[in-house]
Amino acid sequence: EVVLTQSPATLALSPGERATLSCRASQSIASYLSWFQQKPGQAPRLLIYDASSRATGIPARFSGSGSGTDFTLTINSLEPEDFAVYYCQQRGEWPLYTFGRGTKLEIK
Amino acid sequence: EVQLVESGGDLVQPGGSLRLSCAASGFSFDSHWMSWVRQAPVKGLEWVANIKQDGSERNYVDSVKGRFTISRDNTEESLYLEMTSLRVDDTAVYYCARDLGYNYGASLPFDHWGQGTLVTVSS
Repeated sequence: EVVLTQSPATLALSPGERATLSCRASQSIASYLSWFQQKPGQAPRLLIYDASSRATGIPARFSGSGSGTDFTLTINSLEPEDFAVYYCQQRGEWPLYTFGRGTKLEIK
Repeated sequence: EVQLVESGGDLVQPGGSLRLSCAASGFSFDSHWMSWVRQAPVKGLEWVANIKQDGSERNYVDSVKGRFTISRDNTEESLYLEMTSLRVDDTAVYYCARDLGYNYGASLPFDHWGQGTLVTVSS
């Protein structure tokens, strides 16, 4: 089973700053990594797929990078609505999936 | 518009059973794998199970193998999760989500989710 380790667990930043979230896989998953955003009381929303492709309707301030075992989600110039929990998910072992434990992005 | 609507969540005693449903609309249901994902209170997301377009392949996370069964009815455009031998740690919001389709790019795994249904296992 591929284990995804997200860091940091919590990130406190101010609007306008840049957020950098990390996801590390226990073994190579090529580029089969997605990122999701979840706000309280809502279902997750797909942001990034295949490590670096933005899903439909996702603002350009969200970008993903990485391959193999190390991945990054970058959010440039944080907007108030970006403060949420972010999860990475791998499909390198498709049709099995695993999620990371999440990074909570909170307002400083 | 793609819609996924879960139902069937309830309070059930440990050892009990429950059947969740997910009604799909707005897309070609029989062209997509479908998944269930759960989220325990104040916890992260856990993929639970998925099923192939024609139902011929089913996969599960280890913690539910032998207890949960995923199924689908393509004529009714519905997804199901039969849960037996329920445990306290199965307590969670259960989401259904659209998984991989035949036309990758036109649709993406987990690009659409339902609103979730709450399962509480407690005595």
